[in-house]
Amino acid sequence: SQTIHQWPATLVQPVGSPLSLECTVEGTSNPNLYWYRQAAGRGLQLLFYSVGIGQISSEVPQNLSASRPQDRQFILSSKKLLLSDSGFYLCAWEGQGLLGYTFGSGTRLTVV
Amino acid sequence: QKEVEQNSGPLSVPEGAIASLNCTYSDRGSQSFFWYRQYSGKSPELIMSIYSNGDKEDGRFTAQLNKASQYVSLLIRDSQPSDSATYLCSTLRGASKIIFGSGTRLSIRP
Repeated sequence: SQTIHQWPATLVQPVGSPLSLECTVEGTSNPNLYWYRQAAGRGLQLLFYSVGIGQISSEVPQNLSASRPQDRQFILSSKKLLLSDSGFYLCAWEGQGLLGYTFGSGTRLTVV
Repeated sequence: QKEVEQNSGPLSVPEGAIASLNCTYSDRGSQSFFWYRQYSGKSPELIMSIYSNGDKEDGRFTAQLNKASQYVSLLIRDSQPSDSATYLCSTLRGASKIIFGSGTRLSIRP
């Protein structure tokens, strides 16, 4: 069966520090992968999506970047965090056909 | 105008009653719709999908789609305290990007 792993679960980082969040998927090949951010009390904002290795599409210009170095690995990064980067970061992969997404357990990032 | 709009709530419903959650969307070309449930501090989980006009039932949940009026709804029958969560309405944009509403917070009171 397919599973999606995301880590770390929580993270507290100072302003100006770098960020690296990792997401891996098991049990499927060539999945479409997505990074979303959810600010406190807000909806889900699509940040990046990837349809294959090295293929990244950015939805919103921001302080973040994404990479897909391997088929089942999706990484979200920042060189210098801002206070506004705080939020709940969710990785998702697209099921077969039009079955919606399966989300990872998320990373709660607090920038202080 | 947001692509997907929901009333943020909270919507308070007595235990055992029917909870009705509504959503409107702006893109008349949207074809696929998904309802997710999100417990506080947790990631969303898919509970219903609907692609055709009309009703789709799964256990206590019924999704309704009206493309002419551009609205989607989710009915929860025999509401339980465990149904208390935020419900996210979403639609597929293009081939594979799902756009979410801001969610409706549902509270089931005993």
